[in-house]
Amino acid sequence: DAGVIQSPRHEVTEMGQEVTLRCKPISGHDYLFWYRQTMMRGLELLIYFNNNVPIDDSGMPEDRFSAKMPNASFSTLKIQPSEPRDSAVYFCASSFGSPSSGNTIYFGEGSWLTVV
Amino acid sequence: QKEVEQNSGPLSVPEGAIASLNCTYSDRGSQSFFWYRQYSGKSPELIMSIYSNGDKEDGRFTAQLNKASQYVSLLIRDSQPSDSATYLCAVNLTGRRALTFGSGTRLQVQP
Repeated sequence: DAGVIQSPRHEVTEMGQEVTLRCKPISGHDYLFWYRQTMMRGLELLIYFNNNVPIDDSGMPEDRFSAKMPNASFSTLKIQPSEPRDSAVYFCASSFGSPSSGNTIYFGEGSWLTVV
Repeated sequence: QKEVEQNSGPLSVPEGAIASLNCTYSDRGSQSFFWYRQYSGKSPELIMSIYSNGDKEDGRFTAQLNKASQYVSLLIRDSQPSDSATYLCAVNLTGRRALTFGSGTRLQVQP
């Protein structure tokens, strides 16, 4: 299995630009999570999907952030317009079954975003 | 109070020693607890899970859970330089299907 695949791995963009991060979960997994990691705030949950349906987006910082999952094998996280404080590592993760039931979450390698 | 708290460290131990990593959580109803390891520049990977009070051993790793004290710990015996990483505690808080992570403890094992 190829694991969770994220793109781009690194992105440097100017403030005000639109950023789109992409994720392909592990085939067959029915949960997909977007996390953001910074030194100051650690690993924060932004949003998660179950069977392509957004379940909890309470972690999305503000309206500049949006996420979609049009099908079981693809999800996007979009930031528009981007700001320097959005600079972070964005991780996509997936699991087969709910983590609350003890199912393992598998993380992608992350998308390192720098907004200048 | 943060929902999941960890000392950021760094925790420095000599090679061969026992490293003890601690985590507290605020939700008394939490039932599932996990330890992830994250090497610098890499993604988190699961190393252990624990659901019942007491100890759970897996090789050099032992997870300890005390629900009454809302405390979970990870012991690493015979620490190796390759264990140097950030260790993240994750908790499944009541009513949430996703995990909530602590900010992590950085462990340094000195050769």
